[in-house]
Amino acid sequence: KNEVEQSPQNLTAQEGEFITINCSYSVGISALHWLQQHPGGGIVSLFMLSSGKKKHGRLIATINIQEKHSSLHITASHPRDSAVYICAAPLGGATNKLIFGTGTLLAVQP
Amino acid sequence: NAGVMQNPRHLVRRRGQEARLRCSPMKGHSHVYWYRQLPEEGLKFMVYLQKENIIDESGMPKERFSAEFPKEGPSILRIQQVVRGDSAAYFCASSPTGSYHQETQYFGPGTRLLVL
Repeated sequence: KNEVEQSPQNLTAQEGEFITINCSYSVGISALHWLQQHPGGGIVSLFMLSSGKKKHGRLIATINIQEKHSSLHITASHPRDSAVYICAAPLGGATNKLIFGTGTLLAVQP
Repeated sequence: NAGVMQNPRHLVRRRGQEARLRCSPMKGHSHVYWYRQLPEEGLKFMVYLQKENIIDESGMPKERFSAEFPKEGPSILRIQQVVRGDSAAYFCASSPTGSYHQETQYFGPGTRLLVL
């Protein structure tokens, strides 16, 4: 069992749809990162959250620390949202190294 | 404020050659992480460094790989005698203090290494 699991692995949506990507983790202590990676591109940090909910534009991230579960929502999806979305949990201990999920490949069709 | 910089962006090496990947953290950041993304696989932690210190290298292959973060200059990930299996995207990330577990890491654009 992976320490950080995401679902779904692949997601195709029509433009304008509401999208949810889920992340469950069994490691880490008190925070979770959501990252975005475009094909062949770099990685952008979207959110780092340790409780409740954060919102940035059309992106919303929620986390339940007790249940070790987080969700990333995209409202009014657009083709430019097409990317791989990755959740990552800091492992804890003496370092802040991240344990990554396998990613969710999102394709938003016009 | 420039972001995390990595160079080269693309690197082609023949088997047996050396690869040197550079990472300049964001201004004011003294903590650097290196991650590797193998083709069709997820990101994996390699090494965590502070200035002049390797803090955690638990993700580094035991042979041929080394990393440093000198007092002056960028962090270097060095791969000696590269093999085809080293072909991957190598990302570095930096953070201000590395403390606790609630600090955002800022990623560079990555170096795509191709070993022929």
